[in-house]
Amino acid sequence: GAGVSQSPRYKVAKRGQDVALRCDPISGHVSLFWYQQALGQGPEFLTYFQNEAQLDKSGLPSDRFFAERPEGSVSTLKIQRTQQEDSAVYLCASSFSGLAVYNEQFFGPGTRLTVL
Amino acid sequence: KQEVTQIPAALSVPEGENLVLNCSFTDSAIYNLQWFRQDPGKGLTSLLLIQSSQREQTSGRLNASLDKSSGRSTLYIAASQPGDSATYLCAASSNAGGTSYGKLTFGQGTILTVHP
Repeated sequence: GAGVSQSPRYKVAKRGQDVALRCDPISGHVSLFWYQQALGQGPEFLTYFQNEAQLDKSGLPSDRFFAERPEGSVSTLKIQRTQQEDSAVYLCASSFSGLAVYNEQFFGPGTRLTVL
Repeated sequence: KQEVTQIPAALSVPEGENLVLNCSFTDSAIYNLQWFRQDPGKGLTSLLLIQSSQREQTSGRLNASLDKSSGRSTLYIAASQPGDSATYLCAASSNAGGTSYGKLTFGQGTILTVHP
């Protein structure tokens, strides 16, 4: 596609519900990143995929957060038993290469998650 | 651990002024530094990427400089317009933990308002 797309754009969940957020990266992009952006803050790294391999999940805040990219293209971020502190915008980014020196990251519009 | 700071947090200028946004980072071992623009409720738009070996990049009315030794980058906007109003974020791509893919560490952003 022309850019990174994410769905849904907005999600409201009751505390304790499970949610799944989808990211469609730019076709052919090797790298895929997930970031979390709290209100008024800069985005913070959650996890990184190179093709289908999850190479870094050091930013995931708890074991309630799980991400996958089974075929090396579309990725899903799942949050189990959502809590109010999970409310944030979840951003997905992709880049052409797996090497940082070439890694201009292109971001999707984000999913705004509100947990009531 | 990489830390990125942006000054000022907010800036309001009249149309036509030239302005400078500042970004500082604590770990000089970066692959590159990116400047982004974020409009309310939207994702991030990449403005400029400066490789670690470069000193500056230019695109239209925007010019970004990088001084790795002092841990600083500046974004210069010439002849500002109301349409430039947005949040501007800088992000450093680091080899944290010996990784090669360059996850981004963001500053908190500068909220720019250009009034007619």
